Amino acid sequence: DVKVTQSSRYLVKRTGEKVFLECVQDMDHENMFWYRQDPGLGLRLIYFSYDVKMKEKGDIPEGYSVSREKKERFSLILESASTNQTSMYLCASSKAGTGASFGNGTRLTVT
Amino acid sequence: AQSVAQPEDQVNVAEGNPLTVKCTYSVSGNPYLFWYVQYPNRGLQFLLKYITGDNLVKGSYGFEAEFNKSQTSFHLKKPSALVSDSALYFCAVRFAEYGNKLVFGAGTILRVKS
Repeated sequence: DVKVTQSSRYLVKRTGEKVFLECVQDMDHENMFWYRQDPGLGLRLIYFSYDVKMKEKGDIPEGYSVSREKKERFSLILESASTNQTSMYLCASSKAGTGASFGNGTRLTVT
Repeated sequence: AQSVAQPEDQVNVAEGNPLTVKCTYSVSGNPYLFWYVQYPNRGLQFLLKYITGDNLVKGSYGFEAEFNKSQTSFHLKKPSALVSDSALYFCAVRFAEYGNKLVFGAGTILRVKS
């Protein structure tokens, strides 16, 4: 089975801090995704990547950036965390034409 | 614009009855379609997918989904609901024309009562 590992399960940060969320997958998948999940809004795509060093904006990229220096790792960066970025963050990976596999999520609280 | 709609926030069904969770999408071309399930305090699990071929696809836990191109729909179905099917269900669409962008609907809570 594909394993998608998110480095932290829970994270608490202060407003204005720079925050790094890390995601690693072990199945050589080309595609990787970052979503945030909020009640009533479902999963909203922040950024995705279909290859090393490639990135595409999703539907809500403002306030976020990403890095994909290696195929297995996809990092989400909050340059200056704000309270409205308090959310559950989900990382996923997939091969073309397959269903995505998800990590267990990182619940980020910004105070 | 690419979008996925799940028109029902919640679906209630009695155990043993058939269930349907609705999904429609807005896109041109031939999208890939998926259903996922999320149980409380757990990550998303893949249920089934439609890429091409038969419009009725079968997936995990007895679920199936019917692709209807003319109605741009991909409704999730199960002939006989179980209480353990109660969870949050997400429809998702991959838009190959947009670099494999994978977009999710807002989710539908399924409650199966005994």
